[in-house]
Amino acid sequence: GDSVTQMEGPVTLSEEAFLTINCTYTATGYPSLFWYVQYPGEGLQLLLKATKADDKGSNKGFEATYRKETTSFHLEKGSVQVSDSAVYFCALADMDSNYQLIWGAGTKLIIKP
Amino acid sequence: DTAVSQTPKYLVTQMGNDKSIKCEQNLGHDTMYWYKQDSKKFLKIMFSYNNKELIINETVPNRFSPKSPDKAHLNLHINSLELGDSAVYFCASSLQGGSYNSPLHFGNGTRLTVT
Repeated sequence: GDSVTQMEGPVTLSEEAFLTINCTYTATGYPSLFWYVQYPGEGLQLLLKATKADDKGSNKGFEATYRKETTSFHLEKGSVQVSDSAVYFCALADMDSNYQLIWGAGTKLIIKP
Repeated sequence: DTAVSQTPKYLVTQMGNDKSIKCEQNLGHDTMYWYKQDSKKFLKIMFSYNNKELIINETVPNRFSPKSPDKAHLNLHINSLELGDSAVYFCASSLQGGSYNSPLHFGNGTRLTVT
């Protein structure tokens, strides 16, 4: 079945550092890929998405490119801020999952000033 | 203004009790969900309703019973609470068709602590 694997956290960086959070997936079809973010004490919210190979999703300075050849959707940001501290979830949805989200385990990001 | 609202925000109760969590969305969405998030932040879908009809019922104990009086509300009732039920429960909603085409909108969660 479909699955999503994310790098284990927590990831701790200093402000203005470059961020990469790795995400790889397993799917038999052609999934859509998502990043959701959960700020402390809140529910998740969609950060960005990509629906086909080579698409790049972007929002709030974050980017992720749908790489079919490596089955990856790594999240990147050039210069992180303290306010980016949150838990980031990678997810996919496709026909095999009945279009319901298959979630990664989440990666906690801590940004120190 | 709140798009998906859950009550209560915190719920502390003893083993064996019965409790309910309420959820309402004002986004006009057709599909609503209940998720459980454990202490390690792992998310697990429990139920999904589309226009008041149950469409996903994952393997959860039958002590958990969702109820959808209308498409804007999805409540979660839990009987005979156990220690392992302690978690954060999230309600979410999306347009019909599920999360493939429509992002999920989450409530802020209900932290349930069973003592």
